[in-house]
This record gives sequence, C-alpha cells and structure tokens, in this order.
Amino acid sequence: GAGVSQTPSNKVTEKGKYVELRCDPISGHTALYWYRQSLGQGPEFLIYFQGTGAADDSGLPNDRFFAVRPEGSVSTLKIQRTERGDSAVYLCASSLLAQPPSEQYFGPGTRLTVT
Amino acid sequence: DAKTTQPPSMDCAEGRAANLPCNHSTISGNEYVYWYRQIHSQGPQYIIHGLKNNETNEMASLIITEDRKSSTLILPHATLRDTAVYYCIVRVALYSSASKIIFGSGTRLSIRP
Repeated sequence: GAGVSQTPSNKVTEKGKYVELRCDPISGHTALYWYRQSLGQGPEFLIYFQGTGAADDSGLPNDRFFAVRPEGSVSTLKIQRTERGDSAVYLCASSLLAQPPSEQYFGPGTRLTVT
Repeated sequence: DAKTTQPPSMDCAEGRAANLPCNHSTISGNEYVYWYRQIHSQGPQYIIHGLKNNETNEMASLIITEDRKSSTLILPHATLRDTAVYYCIVRVALYSSASKIIFGSGTRLSIRP
C-alpha cells in the first residue's frame, strides 16, 4: 500500500520567508510525528499528533514553528520568518497507534534550504 | 527513555553476517528495544523490535541478553544495499509522552564487496 508521502521534496526559500511543509500519513494511522534532521545527525523530534490534537510539542524549537492536523489525517508544518539555521531535512512519520510496540513509518522527507 | 550506546562505524564483507551491538544498561522492564536504519537520502526504516525474547523477521534477527542490558542486531547475509546508519532505540510501552523516538548517532555500517 501507499506509504507516508511528503511534499515538496525540496524547498529553497529566502531568509525571513514563510514556508509550509505537508505530510500525508498512511491511511488509518492515528498518530503522526514530525522530526528534523541536520546533516550528519540523527533525526530530532519536533511534535506528535494523536488524531487532530498535538499530544506532545516539546520538540518545537521556538514559536516560529507550528503544526496542524485539522482532520486527523494530513498535517502541515509551518515555519514563519525562516532563518538559515532552519535548513534541514524535515521528516514525517505515522503509526497505527501512538504507543509502542506500534512502529513508526517514515516518509522520504522535505529538504528545506534557507538562503 | 533509556540511553543507548553504539559504535560509530563498522564494516562487513558482502555475504557475511553483520552483527551490530547496542548497550542499554539503564533499560527498564517496560522498555522495548527498537532498531531502525537510514539509507542515504531516505527516511528511517523500521527493522525490528523486542522486549525480552529474541526476535526474527525477514530483515534481521534481534538478540537481547538475559539481563536486557545489551542487544545485537544481526543481518544474516549482508548485501551492498544494507549500507546505512543503524539506530538502536529504547522506548517505553505505556505512556503517550514516550511516543516520540529519541535517536542517537547510530552506527554507520559499510558493506565491502
């Protein structure tokens, strides 16, 4: 079946601009996660949704970052006033249930470059 | 979640078994051991997980020591396509706050032809 998809695959933006990154989870998965991965590092947790609500947003670095999942399926990660330090690969994952042992399935990521 | 320790890099000859170690000496009784891998320019891929018993699936085997303080991921017949960064992670089973995965630096596995 279809896996997690993310769009766009690449995004180049200028410093100070606003960007939106989209994630389509696997159909029927109730939990959705966003991670960020800088070059040479492991993925870093940002936020996770259980249904429509953000159950844990402790990884969002500051208030320029915001994410929504209004209908409990597709999610959008929004970054305001982008900075060069926001350049990274943004990964989305979904799982059938939130708790282990339900495993997370990752999308291919969106590579964001802020110039 | 408990911290894990992995060697930064390993290599293995193609066709041989690749054995990737992981130490998790502070693991609690309700924490699972998970393995993911990340091939260059792709998202992490789930491999296997276990709680107490050894596990095997079509990709790999997971051997957990009796005291659960360490584990080994075994790729029985490594191929060039197994070249990737392998992450060992422990996750608590019961609480929603533990749903996030905390990735370490992983082990970079290189397969030699």
